[in-house]
Amino acid sequence: QTVVTQEPSLSVSPGGTVTLTCGLRSVSVSTSHYPSWYQHSPGQAPRTLIYGSQSPASGVPDRFSGSIVGNRAALTITRAQADDECDYYCALYMGRGIWVFGGGTKLTVL
Amino acid sequence: QVQTVQSGAEVKKPGSSVKVSCEASGGSFASYTINWVRQAPGHGLEWMGRIIPIIGETSHAQTLQGRVTITADKSTGTAYMELTALRSEDTAVYYCTFGSPYYIDSWGQGMLVTVSS
Repeated sequence: QTVVTQEPSLSVSPGGTVTLTCGLRSVSVSTSHYPSWYQHSPGQAPRTLIYGSQSPASGVPDRFSGSIVGNRAALTITRAQADDECDYYCALYMGRGIWVFGGGTKLTVL
Repeated sequence: QVQTVQSGAEVKKPGSSVKVSCEASGGSFASYTINWVRQAPGHGLEWMGRIIPIIGETSHAQTLQGRVTITADKSTGTAYMELTALRSEDTAVYYCTFGSPYYIDSWGQGMLVTVSS
């Protein structure tokens, strides 16, 4: 079974920058995995932030950016704000119509 | 962006089945890729499966093999996800999503399914 790994938790200071990553245990993440990133606050539907590794979804502030760094997908949040504090998930396309989500990163802004 | 309305919360007995609906408006239903994602209490997001109505292609997570069926009615713009042989671990919020084969663009509001005896 494919396992997508994310940092369980990270913290960032208000106004600071943080990078969340998303990887695979056996192979490098590449653009062919179409990495995407989602923001999820409790009690709300998730929100798509980034798709295709670096394309921002509609209405997403430019504080959020996606990339591939080394063998992992990355989501960078700049000028962090208090309401950025929530869970972030990546998802990777594994081919044949199959997607796998990472375990999520709980981001604390303090 | 497509607008979606999901069916209301349900309580089910272990071993029974549930069929969740997701009605879409504001877009070209058949051309979308519709993914189903769930989140159990205290757990992360889990991709369940998808359908591309215009070509009738479906796929699903191996962990749900044999228990999940995803369908779509192009005439009414409604997608369905049926899960059988329910267990307590299937208690979750179930989301329908719309997008392309390679990304999720919009999310439904979610629908709580509780499996309890």
